[in-house]
Amino acid sequence: QVQLVQSGAEVKKPGSSVKVSCKASGGTFSSYAVSWVRQAPGQGLEWMGVIIPIFGPTNYAQRFRGRVTITTEEPTSTVYMELSSLRSEDSGVYYCAQIVGGIPYWGQGTVVTVSS
Amino acid sequence: DTVMTQSPDSLAVSLGERATINCKSSQNILYSSNDENYLAWYQQKPGQPPKLLIYWASTRASGVPDRFSGSGSGTDFTLTISSLQAEDVAVYYCHQYSDTSGTFGGGTKVEIK
Repeated sequence: QVQLVQSGAEVKKPGSSVKVSCKASGGTFSSYAVSWVRQAPGQGLEWMGVIIPIFGPTNYAQRFRGRVTITTEEPTSTVYMELSSLRSEDSGVYYCAQIVGGIPYWGQGTVVTVSS
Repeated sequence: DTVMTQSPDSLAVSLGERATINCKSSQNILYSSNDENYLAWYQQKPGQPPKLLIYWASTRASGVPDRFSGSGSGTDFTLTISSLQAEDVAVYYCHQYSDTSGTFGGGTKVEIK
């Protein structure tokens, strides 16, 4: 059973960066795409980007391009999402999700609060 | 990017009655290599992460009651709750996914009439 465990809540200042981790277990980590999804308070789900660990190249949603970087650390089966130039509108819950055999598995979510 | 248009935005249904949510994709999401639609449905309750209900457009996830069903192919998809229960009050999302991208519908809030 695939499990994704994310890092803990973050509080950041406007203009800074946040890096959230997502550690996978129970599956073949490298072969399957890992996406990041954001949910602002009271809003819907928004896809941010994806990486396939074994291949490396990423694809980012247009609105996050230039501010988001998704990387992977294969020895620890961990994927990272870094978002820079934070503003208050970036506050929300960030999820990682991995599609394994056509089935989406989700992390528990990481709350990011951007506040001065 | 593939746009997912979900309707209605909200829905009020009597207990025991049927609820139907639609999702339309701007592009065909049927993959010819395996004849599967990479379309999932989720249920989300306040303060909780999304819960997977359906994947591959019509396959129920483990432990999901059989009153939940998914149908459709290509660009048009439907989630049906055959007999609404009180615990089904939630927001429901469709999600198209692939190795290179993913997008979500805007969500449908289901309430009891």
